[in-house]
Amino acid sequence: DGGITQSPKYLFRKEGQNVTLSCEQNLNHDAMYWYRQDPGQGLRLIYYSQIVNDFQKGDIAEGYSVSREKKESFPLTVTSAQKNPTAFYLCASSIGKQENYGYTFGSGTRLTVV
Amino acid sequence: KQEVTQIPAALSVPEGENLVLNCSFTDSAIYNLQWFRQDPGKGLTSLLLIQSSQREQTSGRLNASLDKSSGRSTLYIAASQPGDSATYLCAVRIYSGAGSYQLTFGKGTKLSVIP
Repeated sequence: DGGITQSPKYLFRKEGQNVTLSCEQNLNHDAMYWYRQDPGQGLRLIYYSQIVNDFQKGDIAEGYSVSREKKESFPLTVTSAQKNPTAFYLCASSIGKQENYGYTFGSGTRLTVV
Repeated sequence: KQEVTQIPAALSVPEGENLVLNCSFTDSAIYNLQWFRQDPGKGLTSLLLIQSSQREQTSGRLNASLDKSSGRSTLYIAASQPGDSATYLCAVRIYSGAGSYQLTFGKGTKLSVIP
């Protein structure tokens, strides 16, 4: 079955550490997205990519970095510059930037600072 | 800036009841609206996608309507079941400039269906 796979499901980060969250899709979608979800808040866009080797900052990109070297993969690195990284991170994809397509989401990664 | 509001934030109903969840958005220049379901600690599952030119979409016991001019959408759930208990999110797709389209989410309505 086609879908989006996020790993790991749970991740613990020590102070000052960089960690990388994995997102892989086999839907042949061009566009991929990273969102952050905090209790009581809506999903907020971190980064998005509409094509390989290109990505754009979202609303809360500070302290995060991404790469898009392959169509199937869009890893997110949470750097030590992100002061409050504890949150639930969701990866999504859509067929392309065309306006009439919906989004498919992964199952999420819960990141906790220890 | 587009804002999406979902009221109520939480709703509790007895099993078998029909119910309506509400979503409103401030800018009617949307391309589509998508309803999602989220179970605790899980990702989002797409329920229905309504294009801006459509008035409603149906899937099983779910029916979503869209009134773009008034900035409103409703999700109707018929004959609710305990398994429907989850948080329901609506999101609108908007043009964000430079050839990009993005989703703006509401904060969700947490539904509890009591057996």
